[in-house]
Amino acid sequence: KAGVTQTPRYLIKTRGQQVTLSCSPISGHRSVSWYQQTPGQGLQFLFEYFSETQRNKGNFPGRFSGRQFSNSRSEMNVSTLELGDSALYLCASSWGQGGLTNTEAFFGQGTRLTVV
Amino acid sequence: AQRVTQPEKLLSVFKGAPVELKCNYSYSGSPELFWYVQYSRQRLQLLLRHISRESIKGFTADLNKGETSFHLKKPFAQEEDSAMYYCALSGNNRLAFGKGNQVVVIP
Repeated sequence: KAGVTQTPRYLIKTRGQQVTLSCSPISGHRSVSWYQQTPGQGLQFLFEYFSETQRNKGNFPGRFSGRQFSNSRSEMNVSTLELGDSALYLCASSWGQGGLTNTEAFFGQGTRLTVV
Repeated sequence: AQRVTQPEKLLSVFKGAPVELKCNYSYSGSPELFWYVQYSRQRLQLLLRHISRESIKGFTADLNKGETSFHLKKPFAQEEDSAMYYCALSGNNRLAFGKGNQVVVIP
């Protein structure tokens, strides 16, 4: 079956702009999570959606937002971009029923965002 | 709050030598622990989970609730084990990751 697909793969934006990243989960998966990966901080949790509802959110400013559609596809948006937002953004999907406990998360290849 | 600590950032070992990656966690609930691996130019993928109690690619990990640890071990490292390894804890609908260990296996 097709894996988790993230688009675009690479993005270059300037400070102050906004950006939208997209994630298509594995067919049948209803949970989608987003992570920010940087060399200094590693993988940091942004938020998790299940059946169009945000179930949990990490410690990121309100400039970071997301949503999930009825087909489980998800988008995340970052407004008023800052240089520090440059990172690899990873999306993961899982079955998600009953929470993420003990369900394998399948990761996409990520979107590399560079803010200049 | 969930917290995962992986103390050593880079680990170099010779082929055939044992590998041990340390992972400590803090979590008030009942922990679900995982090890994820990222090979060069590949996506992050699950290596093993504590509840399965299985050995994958020769790796094992035992959950020690008394020491709040979930160390990853392999008795004989292979060159193909060179990768980035992340310990992760699942709870409250989120995965909390450690900062990762870069493992380099020297031929």
